[in-house]
Amino acid sequence: ILNVEQSPQSLHVQEGDSTNFTCSFPSSNFYALHWYRWETAKSPEALFVMTLNGDEKKKGRISATLNTKEGYSYLYIKGSQPEDSATYLCALNSGGSNYKLTFGKGTLLTVNP
Amino acid sequence: KAGVTQTPRYLIKTRGQQVTLSCSPISGHRSVSWYQQTPGQGLQFLFEYFSETQRNKGNFPGRFSGRQFSNSRSEMNVSTLELGDSALYLCASSLGGTGLYGYTFGSGTRLTVV
Repeated sequence: ILNVEQSPQSLHVQEGDSTNFTCSFPSSNFYALHWYRWETAKSPEALFVMTLNGDEKKKGRISATLNTKEGYSYLYIKGSQPEDSATYLCALNSGGSNYKLTFGKGTLLTVNP
Repeated sequence: KAGVTQTPRYLIKTRGQQVTLSCSPISGHRSVSWYQQTPGQGLQFLFEYFSETQRNKGNFPGRFSGRQFSNSRSEMNVSTLELGDSALYLCASSLGGTGLYGYTFGSGTRLTVV
């Protein structure tokens, strides 16, 4: 069974703080890693798809890095805003021909104004 | 462009009944996959379809089935509903389903079994 772990489970920060979360996965099963942001009552929104070791991607104040050799990815949020409050999910695709994502349980971020 | 549409949004069924959920993917996307989320669990993969063929299936009992039509719309069916089937069911569409180009999710169907 493939295990994708996310930490921390939840996080409370103040507006303006920068924060980061971790996603760990078995390095031997890597094909692509996805990050999603999921707000309550909405659909998960794709943030990044990462495929190469050392990849760094950025979208506004959010960025992500990938280390496939050691099996982890970090998601960073710079200058958190209340609207960043959401659950951040990472998901592993372990092979191009298995056509599925294995999700972590997510990190719930709450940004207090 | 229109997103992924799931219907209905909410559903209440009685144990033993069956239910059919629908998912219309983004135009041009041929892969549709389904996921289940229950309290305390992450999103669990149910199955994936591409060009009307199921290419992968998760570890769910045979009561869970699905299909895809020639226009890429997909349905999933759960027969003989159990209380534990109460969950949020999400579908996701993508171009090829390999994971390289990302997935777009619908808003989900919230199924309650009483």
